[in-house]
Amino acid sequence: DTGVSQNPRHKITKRGQNVTFRCDPISEHNRLYWYRQTLGQGPEFLTYFQNEAQLEKSRLLSDRFSAERPKGSFSTLEIQRTEQGDSAMYLCASSFPLGDSRPEAFFGQGTRLTVV
Amino acid sequence: KQEVTQIPAALSVPEGENLVLNCSFTDSAIYNLQWFRQDPGKGLTSLLLIQSSQREQTSGRLNASLDKSSGRSTLYIAASQPGDSATYLCAVGPGDKIIFGKGTRLHILP
Repeated sequence: DTGVSQNPRHKITKRGQNVTFRCDPISEHNRLYWYRQTLGQGPEFLTYFQNEAQLEKSRLLSDRFSAERPKGSFSTLEIQRTEQGDSAMYLCASSFPLGDSRPEAFFGQGTRLTVV
Repeated sequence: KQEVTQIPAALSVPEGENLVLNCSFTDSAIYNLQWFRQDPGKGLTSLLLIQSSQREQTSGRLNASLDKSSGRSTLYIAASQPGDSATYLCAVGPGDKIIFGKGTRLHILP
């Protein structure tokens, strides 16, 4: 397993368009997290899944954002009607569940979104 | 609400010096604490994880300590090298999600 994989690495889109990002976690991990990071800030939590269940969503995740994890494997994050304020790095992470002896979270390389 | 603060926000030191990065958190009921490194425009690389029952972890030139009762962690980097230049992020796990600080931008001067 080569770690957490995110695609695409970069995305430039026009305001108002829809975009979708994909995250492939480490295969044994059943937890998957999405974060957003803007310049000079730490990553901000958006949502997380345990297997296919979306267990928590941040208030940062407006109704234009939707995340899915069908079959508890890869996940997608879709942003509808993009706005310039959505420009950021979108990071995905995966880990074993709470209580596991190996709680370390591993992050992907991120998808850099630029809305013009 | 858990808040994580990292001091200093930026640090420049000459190559070869030992240095300490600080992290504080407001809620001591954490599950673990993880230090990450981030290079410009890249994702996060995990450096060290300290579980709530542990006091410190070491990996090579890095040593991280955790004092849950005071809500503090430090990352000690020995014999710094130009390749250590990056942003270092501290993150705490209250259980369901990981909360990050804003990071310390480290620049090692050759």
